[in-house]
Amino acid sequence: ILNVEQSPQSLHVQEGDSTNFTCSFPSSNFYALHWYRWETAKSPEALFVMTLNGDEKKKGRISATLNTKEGYSYLYIKGSQPEDSATYLCAFSPRGSTLGRLYFGRGTQLTVWP
Amino acid sequence: DVKVTQSSRYLVKRTGEKVFLECVQDMDHENMFWYRQDPGLGLRLIYFSYDVKMKEKGDIPEGYSVSREKKERFSLILESASTNQTSMYLCASSFVAGTDEQYFGPGTRLTVT
Repeated sequence: ILNVEQSPQSLHVQEGDSTNFTCSFPSSNFYALHWYRWETAKSPEALFVMTLNGDEKKKGRISATLNTKEGYSYLYIKGSQPEDSATYLCAFSPRGSTLGRLYFGRGTQLTVWP
Repeated sequence: DVKVTQSSRYLVKRTGEKVFLECVQDMDHENMFWYRQDPGLGLRLIYFSYDVKMKEKGDIPEGYSVSREKKERFSLILESASTNQTSMYLCASSFVAGTDEQYFGPGTRLTVT
């Protein structure tokens, strides 16, 4: 089982604060890195799928960067809002893995206080 | 919009019962997955399937089996439910393995008493 680490485990911020989380994954045999947002009582939804070293993706106030050589990805949220409160999951897909299965981290639980 | 549906949102079963969790996707996806989510442990893969009648074990297959008789439907079976199988079960599907996002169902919260 491959190890995907996310930090911090939880985060509490005030509305308007910017924040970031880290996902660490094995740097060898990289194929893809996924970020998902999982809001309470809803299904996880994909934010980004990143495949190239140096990739930067952006969706509104949320952005992500990828460093495959050192095995990490950052997720940034600019000007956090209460509706950003969710668990953010990253998932690693190694090259040559059995049929592209994903290995998930344990997530970062973000709470944004108004 | 891709839709992944699961047969029940909440389920309560007794120890020893046979339990079926059904998942259906409407986007003709090749790959389907069953995960369970427990507090502090993240999503753990139980089984996945890449084609009709094809299946692969994930990280925690013990106590579970699966069935995929049709492309759109992937069933998770608990042959004899036990209390340690009380959990949230999530189904997902994707088109291209690895680089395509996975689409998740709403989850089934199973309680085994």
